[in-house]
Amino acid sequence: GENVGLHLPTLSVQEGDNSIINCAYSNSASDYFIWYKQESGKGPQFIIDIRSNMDKRQGQRVTVLLNKTVKHLSLQIAATQPGDSAVYFCAENTSGYSTLTFGKGTMLLVSP
Amino acid sequence: EPEVTQTPSHQVTQMGQEVILRCVPISNHLYFYWYRQILGQKVEFLVSFYNNEISEKSEIFDDQFSVERPDGSNFTLKIRSTKLEDSAMYFCASRARLADTGELFFGEGSRLTVL
Repeated sequence: GENVGLHLPTLSVQEGDNSIINCAYSNSASDYFIWYKQESGKGPQFIIDIRSNMDKRQGQRVTVLLNKTVKHLSLQIAATQPGDSAVYFCAENTSGYSTLTFGKGTMLLVSP
Repeated sequence: EPEVTQTPSHQVTQMGQEVILRCVPISNHLYFYWYRQILGQKVEFLVSFYNNEISEKSEIFDDQFSVERPDGSNFTLKIRSTKLEDSAMYFCASRARLADTGELFFGEGSRLTVL
């Protein structure tokens, strides 16, 4: 099975750049997707969500894009700040089930 | 702002010992969860709990695990006989309604170290 171990994909950006974090989800029946941010030593924190009847949703400085054809989800962070440094997880859910299934995670490192 | 609280923040135990991790979900929430995260890996679902019974559980949640809501505020995860591979961060989470799928509020986690 999957074993990311300590080898998380890492995205390094400069402060002020735009960041794009990608996620491939596994279940074609999933109809609800969420991005979580996890800072070191803390629990996951909700960022933004999107339902499968949409392909784009915008929040404050963040945008989520969904491509159901290729089962791909992305998170765009505008004007990235050092405080955005964290591990970002996508999660998927299927209607009628309460369980969220998390993806592998990407570490975002923002340099001042 | 309401939050999910977990205790202890860190517990070290010997292999074979019983461990109880405690959680106080947000007060008006109805759905409760335990997830775990082995160091550097993804967050894995263990169990969900609603209306005083388990609603879903994963393959990880075997007979060594149990959950309980002993009173109106606490939600506990018990591991009867810990193994080395149980070492992980355990997160409790809650939400108000099933429809609030994304608004799953996580606690800060309890780190379990099994020696």
